Amino acid sequence: AQKVTQAQTEISVVEKEDVTLDCVYETRDTTYYLFWYKQPPSGELVFLIRRNSFDEQNEISGRYSWNFQKSTSSFNFTITASQVVDSAVYFCALSGVNRDDKIIFGKGTRLHILP
Amino acid sequence: ETGVTQSPTHLIKTRGQQVTLRCSSQSGHNTVSWYQQALGQGPQFIFQYYREEENGRGNFPPRFSGLQFPNYSSELNVNALELDDSALYLCASSFPQGAGGYTFGSGTRLTVV
Repeated sequence: AQKVTQAQTEISVVEKEDVTLDCVYETRDTTYYLFWYKQPPSGELVFLIRRNSFDEQNEISGRYSWNFQKSTSSFNFTITASQVVDSAVYFCALSGVNRDDKIIFGKGTRLHILP
Repeated sequence: ETGVTQSPTHLIKTRGQQVTLRCSSQSGHNTVSWYQQALGQGPQFIFQYYREEENGRGNFPPRFSGLQFPNYSSELNVNALELDDSALYLCASSFPQGAGGYTFGSGTRLTVV
């Protein structure tokens, strides 16, 4: 069975601090996708990144970076120099690569960036 | 290029009633998935439609049903509403080649009283 665990329910940091959101996943598939989504108060899920299981390179996009470690089944997300606009709920998710595969979401981490 | 649009944005229904939620997929996307997000939880997969047919279903009872139209838009119908059906319902559209590029709408907030 597939499962995504985000152990941090809620995190608060002061603006400009770095923060890491943890994600651990379980799957029996050898090929899969991992995702991070941001959900602001308006409700829509904003796509941040998709990572194929074959690609273990870490990725950086501006202040965002992702650390994919297949050996520990983790896909952690770091925000550097956090800003108030980063306040949101962040979801880690997992999916197979077939057309009818669904996305399995974690329960999310609510991030508060304090001014 | 328009994104995914959902209507209505908010809805209040009484227990036992029926509800229909609507979703217009992003241009070029022919696969639509529906998710239910209860308060404080991650989205849960309800079902997916591809070429107007159900193409995968999560652990939801038959009173949750759907349709996809030739223009790829979709409806989610819920019969005999229960209080626990209160949630944010999210629609996502994509191309059919796997989970590569889901675009989510802003959702419909359903409250059952």
